[in-house]
Amino acid sequence: NAGVTQTPKFRVLKTGQSMTLLCAQDMNHEYMYWYRQDPGMGLRLIHYSVGEGTTAKGEVPDGYNVSRLKKQNFLLGLESAAPSQTSVYFCASSDDGLALDTQYFGPGTRLTVL
Amino acid sequence: AQKVTQAQTEISVVEKEDVTLDCVYETRDTTYYLFWYKQPPSGELVFLIRRNSFDEQNEISGRYSWNFQKSTSSFNFTITASQVVDSAVYFCALSEADDYKLSFGAGTTVTVRA
Repeated sequence: NAGVTQTPKFRVLKTGQSMTLLCAQDMNHEYMYWYRQDPGMGLRLIHYSVGEGTTAKGEVPDGYNVSRLKKQNFLLGLESAAPSQTSVYFCASSDDGLALDTQYFGPGTRLTVL
Repeated sequence: AQKVTQAQTEISVVEKEDVTLDCVYETRDTTYYLFWYKQPPSGELVFLIRRNSFDEQNEISGRYSWNFQKSTSSFNFTITASQVVDSAVYFCALSEADDYKLSFGAGTTVTVRA
């Protein structure tokens, strides 16, 4: 099993450009999450999904959109990138989202917005 | 308000020394889960342990041990006989009942020198 994978690993964007980050998991997990990691702040939840076809806002959702068309995939979109979105993005998945199971993380995507 | 506080930003030790990482959390829930994750220089997040609020037993796993004390809202992590491979950022996280997200502390960077 590959676990949780993320594509791409690195990306540089110019302000105003758009892009989509792809997260895929092969563990048949119901729940998926997108976090961002900024220096000195730990990880903060952007959006999450409790199952195929569902999405919900997390702690810092502004400027991002997500879609969960297939159970194994969770996409994070930036419609108009801003320098404040320079960060490392982590996707995670878990079998049960209500604090009953462990979240397993992907390797991260390092995004720089110029 | 910060739910998870890791007061130590950086710790540097010499190989074979013990190192203790502090984690203090804040919650009103009686049911919650505490986690520790390791982030080595390669960047991925590695799950180390999960502990629920009803289980105050300390846990040992090889050179790692965890001390959970509800009376002081702390969940401290000790690495015994540290090795260079233990060099990483360590995150403490809290998950509360009926909440999907993990609340992360800011992380403690551990550097083990040979």
